Amino acid sequence: EAGVVQSPRYKIIEKKQPVAFWCNPISGHNTLYWYLQNLGQGPELLIRYENEEAVDDSQLPKDRFSAERLKGVDSTLKIQPAELGDSAVYLCASSLNREYTGELFFGEGSRLTVL
Amino acid sequence: AQRVTQPEKLLSVFKGAPVELKCNYSYSGSPELFWYVQYSRQRLQLLLRHISRESIKGFTADLNKGETSFHLKKPFAQEEDSAMYYCALRYYGGATNKLIFGTGTLLAVQP
Repeated sequence: EAGVVQSPRYKIIEKKQPVAFWCNPISGHNTLYWYLQNLGQGPELLIRYENEEAVDDSQLPKDRFSAERLKGVDSTLKIQPAELGDSAVYLCASSLNREYTGELFFGEGSRLTVL
Repeated sequence: AQRVTQPEKLLSVFKGAPVELKCNYSYSGSPELFWYVQYSRQRLQLLLRHISRESIKGFTADLNKGETSFHLKKPFAQEEDSAMYYCALRYYGGATNKLIFGTGTLLAVQP
């Protein structure tokens, strides 16, 4: 099994440009998470989906960040416009359901560099 | 407020030496704690969880509620243990159900 798949792995853009990240969770996993990992820090939750519903987006900066999970499978995280401080690794993770929140399966991450 | 603290950014030991990676937490509820590991060029993955009381790859971790700690231990370090280790706390309340991670400790096992 491929595990959680993310793309692109690396992205370099200029500030004020838009960027989008895609995630395909493990088949059958109802819960999907987007985490942000800044250099030297642990991952921090941006948004959590239960199927297609965003049930916890309290940490998502909604002025420039948006996310969707159509049909409750794949998910896209978008930043528009990007700022220098958005340079980080964006991690997608999935779990079987909300009761298995402690056991997350992570993707390899998408490393964003904003110039 | 809920928080996970890993005081050491780097821990360097020699092969065969004992290892203890420190983790302290702050949480008003009943804690569920985990250790995640990220080997070089690999994805972040679960190592162990306190509720299972298991030993994985020779590592163990005991939850000490009195000291609010969940230190990760291994009696004899191996070179392949070199990795980034993150302690994590499951926090849930209201609609929130998430893992809070510490800042991580890089374990370097020298030959």
